[in-house]
Amino acid sequence: QVQLVESGGGVVQPGRSLRLSCAASGFTFSGYAMHWVRQAPGKGLEWVAVISYDGSLKKYADSVQGRFAISRDNSKNTLSLQMNSLRPDDTAVYYCARDPNTVPDCWGQGTLVTVSS
Amino acid sequence: DIQMTQSPSSLSASVGDRVTITCRASQDIGNDLGWYQQKPGKAPKRLIYAAFNLQSGVPSRFSGSGSGTEFTLTISSLQPEDFATYYCLQHNNYPRTFGQGTKVEIK
Repeated sequence: QVQLVESGGGVVQPGRSLRLSCAASGFTFSGYAMHWVRQAPGKGLEWVAVISYDGSLKKYADSVQGRFAISRDNSKNTLSLQMNSLRPDDTAVYYCARDPNTVPDCWGQGTLVTVSS
Repeated sequence: DIQMTQSPSSLSASVGDRVTITCRASQDIGNDLGWYQQKPGKAPKRLIYAAFNLQSGVPSRFSGSGSGTEFTLTISSLQPEDFATYYCLQHNNYPRTFGQGTKVEIK
């Protein structure tokens, strides 16, 4: 079955970097665009970034543009999010999600990122 | 950016009630909208895609309607397991945007 497993979250100081990963299995990873979506504690869902199936197209939310970079390795069925210059308002659970050309259908369980000194 | 205005932000209802949640888009998005259910500590679960298509495995008491700028999620007869927060999401353009969420609570 389709499985997405995020990792890499943790506590990090403001201004530092963190790299999240999402391991995909149970489907042809290279055939799907992939998203990152986040949710701050007690808040709603916020779309973060998307990457096309082949990595040629990347889009970002204004709130992370220039600080975050989405990438993928189709040979390893892995999606990544490099987060630089982290701020306290980046604190959230980060989800990866599969895009079947409509709204995302499958989501991981999420990984918590806490930005605090 | 396309703004998604979801209402109400919360509602109290009883088991068996009919519940309606609305999302309004700031511009025409055709049928490019989906609905999600999220329970505390869990990932969102897709209920509806392309405005009215029911996700496989989702009970038929859930339905979606609308097009253009106004969309509705209806739960025809609320069940105990339906108490959760619901979100709409547009995929017509980037950035993708969610509604603010509707928390459905037990009356």
